[in-house]
Amino acid sequence: DADVTQTPRNRITKTGKRIMLECSQTKGHDRMYWYRQDPGLGLRLIYYSFDVKDINKGEISDGYSVSRQAQAKFSLSLESAIPNQTALYFCATQGASYNEQFFGPGTRLTVL
Amino acid sequence: AQSVTQPDIHITVSEGASLELRCNYSYGATPYLFWYVQSPGQGLQLLLKYFSGDTLVQGIKGFEAEFKRSQSSFNLRKPSVHWSDAAEYFCAVGATDDKIIFGKGTRLHILP
Repeated sequence: DADVTQTPRNRITKTGKRIMLECSQTKGHDRMYWYRQDPGLGLRLIYYSFDVKDINKGEISDGYSVSRQAQAKFSLSLESAIPNQTALYFCATQGASYNEQFFGPGTRLTVL
Repeated sequence: AQSVTQPDIHITVSEGASLELRCNYSYGATPYLFWYVQSPGQGLQLLLKYFSGDTLVQGIKGFEAEFKRSQSSFNLRKPSVHWSDAAEYFCAVGATDDKIIFGKGTRLHILP
């Protein structure tokens, strides 16, 4: 089984709808991250969390919110989706300071 | 502020030819450096990392990278590419607050 899983893998929705993307991990890592990937822009950090009680904004948090339900679960919500939120979204975990991050397979979100 | 530059958006090489992907970073202290690969439809997979010690690091799939402090570079190399190496490659630097800053990526195309 994959260490970092994301659901759904693909989602098409309409403008104004609320969407939740879910991430689960079995690596036992405290640090979890949400990124979005757009062609030519690389990965941009949306939110990150160092433990259940810690939530931090990344460089592009506007229009997004997150919930860290448990050490293993970190959800990303779009309260009212808009077309420019169409992107590939990745969840990642990190075990310790300055270590590498481990990525989920991604969620492709299309907002019409 | 920390940053990563990958000057080449696209690179095309023939199968069996050698490869070098360029990466320059900006970081005040000793950097923690990574190369990730993203195959089509997949998440990011770590190829190799540099934390300290030997400046030539070996990774998976026959890749290596050399850290050159004087040039602020961490270029990725492979002596002979295979068609399966076609993917997007991301250089990254470990930044403060346990974040990783990613470059915008280089897409590698392989000619048969």
